[in-house]
Amino acid sequence: SQTIHQWPATLVQPVGSPLSLECTVEGTSNPNLYWYRQAAGRGLQLLFYSVGIGQISSEVPQNLSASRPQDRQFILSSKKLLLSDSGFYLCAWSGTGTDQPQHFGDGTRLSIL
Amino acid sequence: GNSVTQMEGPVTLSEEAFLTINCTYTATGYPSLFWYVQYPGEGLQLLLKATKADDKGSNKGFEATYRKETTSFHLEKGSVQVSDSAVYFCALIGSGGSNYKLTFGKGTLLTVNP
Repeated sequence: SQTIHQWPATLVQPVGSPLSLECTVEGTSNPNLYWYRQAAGRGLQLLFYSVGIGQISSEVPQNLSASRPQDRQFILSSKKLLLSDSGFYLCAWSGTGTDQPQHFGDGTRLSIL
Repeated sequence: GNSVTQMEGPVTLSEEAFLTINCTYTATGYPSLFWYVQYPGEGLQLLLKATKADDKGSNKGFEATYRKETTSFHLEKGSVQVSDSAVYFCALIGSGGSNYKLTFGKGTLLTVNP
């Protein structure tokens, strides 16, 4: 069966520091991969998605970037964190067929001080 | 573009009460519809789905029917438990080119009291 791992679970970082969140998927090949942010108030915002190695699409301009160095690895990064980057970050994967549901990791709670 | 509107709540019920969380959508063509559940401090879990009109998705006592005539996908459960307390998200994937992007509603917080 397929599993998705996301780490760390929680992270406290100072303003201006770099960020690297990692997500890996097991049990499937060539998944679509996604990064979401969930701010207070529960809404989910799609940040990036990827349909293949090295292929990244950005949904909103921001202080963050994403990379997909391997088929089942998706990384969210920042060179300099802002206070507004605080939130709950969720990675997800889906199959490549039509109408495939997305399956989410357990999330990373990021607090910027 | 696609959009999902769901009752924002919060919804507070007593154990064994009947639950309905309304969800309506706007989309071209024939979207696929989903309900996700998020327990406190966790990621989202797929609860149920329906991919065509009149389909009924069901799981863990929850049900939702894809109603194209009313563009709705309301979530129901006949008898809720304290363990059902969570945030529930309605979502859709549109048909056509971007058929892998989920559009979410804003979520409905459900609290079930013993």
